[in-house]
Amino acid sequence: GNSVTQMEGPVTLSEEAFLTINCTYTATGYPSLFWYVQYPGEGLQLLLKATKADDKGSNKGFEATYRKETTSFHLEKGSVQVSDSAVYFCALSGTGGGNKLTFGTGTQLKVEL
Amino acid sequence: DAGVIQSPRHEVTEMGQEVTLRCKPISGHDYLFWYRQTMMRGLELLIYFNNNVPIDDSGMPEDRFSAKMPNASFSTLKIQPSEPRDSAVYFCATLPGQRVIGELFFGEGSRLTVL
Repeated sequence: GNSVTQMEGPVTLSEEAFLTINCTYTATGYPSLFWYVQYPGEGLQLLLKATKADDKGSNKGFEATYRKETTSFHLEKGSVQVSDSAVYFCALSGTGGGNKLTFGTGTQLKVEL
Repeated sequence: DAGVIQSPRHEVTEMGQEVTLRCKPISGHDYLFWYRQTMMRGLELLIYFNNNVPIDDSGMPEDRFSAKMPNASFSTLKIQPSEPRDSAVYFCATLPGQRVIGELFFGEGSRLTVL
């Protein structure tokens, strides 16, 4: 079945540091890939997405590239801010999964001044 | 536009009691999903509806859990009887039918504590 593996957190960075959160997946067919963000006390929000191989999703300075050869969708940001502190979830929806999303376990990011 | 509205935001109850969680989806969204979030298991899909009809309930943990969607504006998730291991944050999420799969709109969640 489909699965998503994320790096464990928490990840603690200083403001303006470079961010990478690793995500790899296992899926049948050609899944769509997503990053969601959850701020404290809130529900998840879609951050970015990619629907086919080599697509790059981007939003709010975050980027992720759909790499089919390495089954990866790593999240990156060149310069993080304190306001980026949140939990980040990688997710996929595949041709075999109907309308269901499979989420990773989430990676907590803490950005300090 | 109002987002997905869930109630109650927090619920504390004793083991054996009935719990009902409520969700008002975004108007016009055809799909509604119930998720459960715990530290141990992460985000789990419990059940989802399309046009008020349950499509997949394979994630519902056991018969103590039930979900209904009597109309396009309202859904409930009921736990009867509740147990301490049901303590979690329960999220409702919706999806417009014409969007690509995966672009969910989440509510703020209902935090359930069963003592």
